[in-house]
Amino acid sequence: QQPVQSPQAVILREGEDAVINCSSSKALYSVHWYRQKHGEAPVFLMILLKGGEQKGHEKISASFNEKKQQSSLYLTASQLSYSGTYFCGTEMSRNSGYALNFGKGTSLLVTP
Amino acid sequence: GAVVSQHPSRVICKSGTSVKIECRSLDFQATTMFWYRQFPKQSLMLMATSNEGSKATYEQGVEKDKFLINHASLTLSTLTVTSAHPEDSSFYICSARRILNTEAFFGQGTRLTVV
Repeated sequence: QQPVQSPQAVILREGEDAVINCSSSKALYSVHWYRQKHGEAPVFLMILLKGGEQKGHEKISASFNEKKQQSSLYLTASQLSYSGTYFCGTEMSRNSGYALNFGKGTSLLVTP
Repeated sequence: GAVVSQHPSRVICKSGTSVKIECRSLDFQATTMFWYRQFPKQSLMLMATSNEGSKATYEQGVEKDKFLINHASLTLSTLTVTSAHPEDSSFYICSARRILNTEAFFGQGTRLTVV
């Protein structure tokens, strides 16, 4: 089941902030965030496992709400290198195990 | 980070032939590997999840007999596109992870063109 990601696209000036949201109709086991640049493989950013968890690395952070149905990725003081497509990946428990499904992605363009 | 190698990076094949794509975790043992298909400017569509030593779990709408997945060892999974047709042309990408609750590392992807 694919998570719903928003917005579809964002254009920022260097130094501005952005928030990308990822939501599911059912409680998730975990949320993964990745960034993919054109022609390259997705690169892992972070994983959140617990309801209420917040995690960050430098100017990129993420949260996972208490009900484990919604996650947000925060990009602060954006840099040109942040440009790319951001995907949230979600896992739910099911009879056949766990599967990592991705949202449709958010295209982020940071301009000088 | 860990390294996942996918081969070949590009392949062109004739309609009706089969193509095998390999996904290797080079510096870790992967209990789970995922196979995705990605259309231009679109998301990663999960095709199947494979766990070492067991049959792959295919997502709804993915033909098991057309996309054969084998996860024979903790470092290798293969995807074979059988009797390929032009509509199978796409970007196929694998990811691998050690265990649950850890990050999945992606291969560089395979651009398949069926002519």
